[in-house]
Amino acid sequence: QVQLQESGPGLVKPSETLSLSCAVSGASMRTSSSYWGWIRQPPGKGLEWIGTIFSGGAIFYNSSLQSRATISVDMSDSQVFLKLTSLTAADTADYFCAAGDYNIRWAFDVWGHGTLVIVSS
Amino acid sequence: EIVMTQSPATLSVSPGERATVSCRASQAVGRNVAWYQQKPGQALRLLIYDASTKATGIPARFSGSGSAADFTLTISSLQSEDFAVYYCQHYDNWPPRATFGQGTKVEIK
Repeated sequence: QVQLQESGPGLVKPSETLSLSCAVSGASMRTSSSYWGWIRQPPGKGLEWIGTIFSGGAIFYNSSLQSRATISVDMSDSQVFLKLTSLTAADTADYFCAAGDYNIRWAFDVWGHGTLVIVSS
Repeated sequence: EIVMTQSPATLSVSPGERATVSCRASQAVGRNVAWYQQKPGQALRLLIYDASTKATGIPARFSGSGSAADFTLTISSLQSEDFAVYYCQHYDNWPPRATFGQGTKVEIK
């Protein structure tokens, strides 16, 4: 059973860069049919897809965040990363790591519990 | 960009009753829709993908239907553990960009 655990700084200042990591356990990341995504949720609001990275290396981003977001993986260390630059208060949210495989198309069937990021000076 | 609009925003239902949540896409999306359940303090749970296929371990009382632009999540007989927020998600075939609806809270009547 795949499990995901996000980690991050909690509080970040405006204009700085956010770096989050997601530890993957319970299965090898090298499974050719897997993909991992980042999704965020501002307090009291709905879900926003940030981007998805595939085991083969392809990466796709939400067009509204594409200029500021970078997703990467380290398969040897079983981690997925998100960097988000030029932060503003609007980036305050719970950030979720999620995973899926081609059998469920591009839905996500495994989610982490999320990590709260507050952007404030 | 495709917009997914859920209705209602809040649904008040008594235990044992049927709950129906709707999701409308701004244009036809085939059957590329998933449904998720979110409960406080818990990881999100995939219920349905490809509009009507149940994810692993999902109880029979959950069902999804629809195609083109109109989709429905039905919970046939609400149990206490089903009171939660439900989200629909559209995913493109390729590139696999995703859009979520704004959520529907199913609360106890």
